[in-house]
Amino acid sequence: AQKVTQAQTEISVVEKEDVTLDCVYETRDTTYYLFWYKQPPSGELVFLIRRNSFDEQNEISGRYSWNFQKSTSSFNFTITASQVVDSAVYFCAMSEAKAAGNKLTFGGGTRVLVKP
Amino acid sequence: DVKVTQSSRYLVKRTGEKVFLECVQDMDHENMFWYRQDPGLGLRLIYFSYDVKMKEKGDIPEGYSVSREKKERFSLILESASTNQTSMYLCASSLGQGQETQYFGPGTRLLVL
Repeated sequence: AQKVTQAQTEISVVEKEDVTLDCVYETRDTTYYLFWYKQPPSGELVFLIRRNSFDEQNEISGRYSWNFQKSTSSFNFTITASQVVDSAVYFCAMSEAKAAGNKLTFGGGTRVLVKP
Repeated sequence: DVKVTQSSRYLVKRTGEKVFLECVQDMDHENMFWYRQDPGLGLRLIYFSYDVKMKEKGDIPEGYSVSREKKERFSLILESASTNQTSMYLCASSLGQGQETQYFGPGTRLLVL
């Protein structure tokens, strides 16, 4: 069975600080997918990134960056120069690679509060 | 852009009522999912469907049923609502055929009195 752990339940920072969200996963599959979603106060989960297990290249998108390390089963997410609009709950998730009906296993989420 | 819509943002029902939550996606996705989200418990999968009229139980199916008569629509049914089903319900869809990214609707906050 797959498991995703986000050890940080809540992080509070001041605007312009960097913040890193940790995500550790467990799986017996050799092929799998990792995701990050953002849930702002409005409630909708917004897809941020997907990574497959064969691609350990780190990725940067604007102020967001992701560090995937298979050796430590981690897929961490960093927000650089945080802004108030980054305040949200962030979920890490993973899915197995199946032909149909790929289910997501979510971590518990990390609430990020960015203060002005 | 993928668009997943849910019939209601907020819903208040009484114990014992039959409740229908509707979800529609407009991107011809094969897979559709229903989750519930509760504080401290994260998101938990209730049911999912990978084709019309096909359904599979998720992690917490008890007290729920689903219907998928058309590809774009996936309904979650609470046969007899109970107070412990007060929650945030999120619908999602994914393309399928190896494309696993799930796109979520805005959610329905259900209060059962």
